[in-house]
Amino acid sequence: DAGVIQSPRHEVTEMGQEVTLRCKPISGHDYLFWYRQTMMRGLELLIYFNNNVPIDDSGMPEDRFSAKMPNASFSTLKIQPSEPRDSAVYFCASSSTGQGAEGANVLTFGAGSRLTVL
Amino acid sequence: GQSLEQPSEVTAVEGAIVQINCTYQTSGFYGLSWYQQHDGGAPTFLSYNALDGLEETGRFSSFLSRSDSYGYLLLQELQMKDSASYFCAVRDWGSYKLIFGSGTRLLVRP
Repeated sequence: DAGVIQSPRHEVTEMGQEVTLRCKPISGHDYLFWYRQTMMRGLELLIYFNNNVPIDDSGMPEDRFSAKMPNASFSTLKIQPSEPRDSAVYFCASSSTGQGAEGANVLTFGAGSRLTVL
Repeated sequence: GQSLEQPSEVTAVEGAIVQINCTYQTSGFYGLSWYQQHDGGAPTFLSYNALDGLEETGRFSSFLSRSDSYGYLLLQELQMKDSASYFCAVRDWGSYKLIFGSGTRLLVRP
């Protein structure tokens, strides 16, 4: 398996522009997570899905952020309009509960999308 | 809610042993996980403890004491490539949210 695949790896945009980050989870994994990492706030969970259904989006900072998972192999995180404070590395991760309790604690992360908003 | 505390930085010498501690406060407990992240890289899973005691995986071991709400990651025979950030993590009670500590930056010196 190629692992969790994210695109783009780097994105530089100007304030006010729309940003779309993409993620392909590991085939067969039933949970998908979007995290944001900054020096100040560390690794924050934004939203997670189970079998393509959003379960908890309490970490989404505000209405400018939205996430979708139209099918088991694809998810997007959209920021519209983007602001400089959104600059961060955004990670997508997936996991499988098929392995029981441990599986739920074993996340496989993608390489991340580094976003810079000028 | 959940909260985790770990030291911000640890420095050790190549070939030595280092222990990275983690204390947690949770309303319920599913187990303690550890992740490694190199600069510019993604977090990668290292270990998981659901029960008290020591779990060993090669040079890395992880320990849990549920009564003390405490765990640690032990790295032996340190190598330069072990320089990275190490995160402990717990699942939020009643959900599949994995909450990460703020991370411990390990610097291995020659």
